[in-house]
Amino acid sequence: QKEVEQDPGPLSVPEGAIVSLNCTYSNSAFQYFMWYRQYSRKGPELLMYTYSSGNKEDGRFTAQVDKSSKYISLFIRDSQPSDSATYLCAMSNNFNKFYFGSGTKLNVKP
Amino acid sequence: DTGVSQDPRHKITKRGQNVTFRCDPISEHNRLYWYRQTLGQGPEFLTYFQNEAQLEKSRLLSDRFSAERPKGSFSTLEIQRTEQGDSAMYLCASSLGIDQPQHFGDGTRLSIL
Repeated sequence: QKEVEQDPGPLSVPEGAIVSLNCTYSNSAFQYFMWYRQYSRKGPELLMYTYSSGNKEDGRFTAQVDKSSKYISLFIRDSQPSDSATYLCAMSNNFNKFYFGSGTKLNVKP
Repeated sequence: DTGVSQDPRHKITKRGQNVTFRCDPISEHNRLYWYRQTLGQGPEFLTYFQNEAQLEKSRLLSDRFSAERPKGSFSTLEIQRTEQGDSAMYLCASSLGIDQPQHFGDGTRLSIL
């Protein structure tokens, strides 16, 4: 069993839709959670960073962590074609080693 | 802040050859990480440095792989006797320290002929 599971998609939505991206994990010791966006042939770009459970909002992006369910989510409001990319979740228990999901490919249609 | 820089961006080599990649972290970032990413997968942790000390290595890092970070600045990742299975994107990331998230470079894509 992988440490982090993420639906690979692809997920296709119309412009302006609310997008929900999710990851589940098995290690209850994880306490640092990140979401990255990766465009083709580029490195991952940090979007959101949260510590422990709760919500965090930054512009059109909201990250949620539910440690009791070992489940994290990223919501994108008013999605734009420029949001089309692969979204990666990542997590760690001690910031020494990070575990990534396999990524969800998102396509926002104009 | 010029971001994490990796060189070369793309390396093509024949099986059995040695290759070396370089990573320049963001200035003053004392942590540096190496990852490998294959098509359709997320990055897989290889190793990380705190300043010049290599503190953790993944089982993925076989004895053909070696990483260094002299003087705690740039880092190099060398692969000896390359194999077909080494074809991947090699990503470098750096962070300001513990509790600080990583910032990635755009990677070096390795193709083995």
